[in-house]
Amino acid sequence: EAQVTQNPRYLITVTGKKLTVTCSQNMNHEYMSWYRQDPGLGLRQIYYSMNVEVTDKGDVPEGYKVSRKEKRNFPLILESPSPNQTSLYFCASSYDMGGTEAFFGQGTRLTVV
Amino acid sequence: GQQLNQSPQSMFIQEGEDVSMNCTSSSIFNTWLWYKQDPGEGPVLLIALYKAGELTSNGRLTAQFGITRKDSFLNISASIPSDVGIYFCAGQANAGGTSYGKLTFGQGTILTVHP
Repeated sequence: EAQVTQNPRYLITVTGKKLTVTCSQNMNHEYMSWYRQDPGLGLRQIYYSMNVEVTDKGDVPEGYKVSRKEKRNFPLILESPSPNQTSLYFCASSYDMGGTEAFFGQGTRLTVV
Repeated sequence: GQQLNQSPQSMFIQEGEDVSMNCTSSSIFNTWLWYKQDPGEGPVLLIALYKAGELTSNGRLTAQFGITRKDSFLNISASIPSDVGIYFCAGQANAGGTSYGKLTFGQGTILTVHP
């Protein structure tokens, strides 16, 4: 089954404790992306990657890092989480290099206290 | 960054009614997309529009790419309870240019359908 898998689904952490949210896709897509979803703001793009070892900033990259060492995985790293990073995070992948027709994961709800 | 204004923010309708929602942008987009998000799930693509003036249907859904490239609308005809969810528009400004992979989403329209 074609899917984008995120882990964990839920995470509560403390300010400053480094964390990684993993994302994996089994569709051999070149393009992957991370979004955060906040009430009233829709989805905002954090980072995207159009190929292995190629990453670019989206609209809200501050406080986040990503890496794309292999095609199927695109982890999101929060080196020093803060409460304003409490949000619902989605990973997406797309066969389209522009990322338009994207498959989304089920989301990771992160709470930073 | 670019902004999309999506309206209405929420809609409460009776089953069988038609629904219309739209997105406007302060700048031009080369691609418009419409997604639906069910509770507890990630968004799912409904319709993709790649050409100004394009009108595309997917079952009871119809979407149009505005001639000015700064707007798009989505219509749902004869709504049913399973249409409940959050609908998002999204745009991509640069087809093949810089920031090619950058997508901008609207704030979402929350649709409630009463049986």
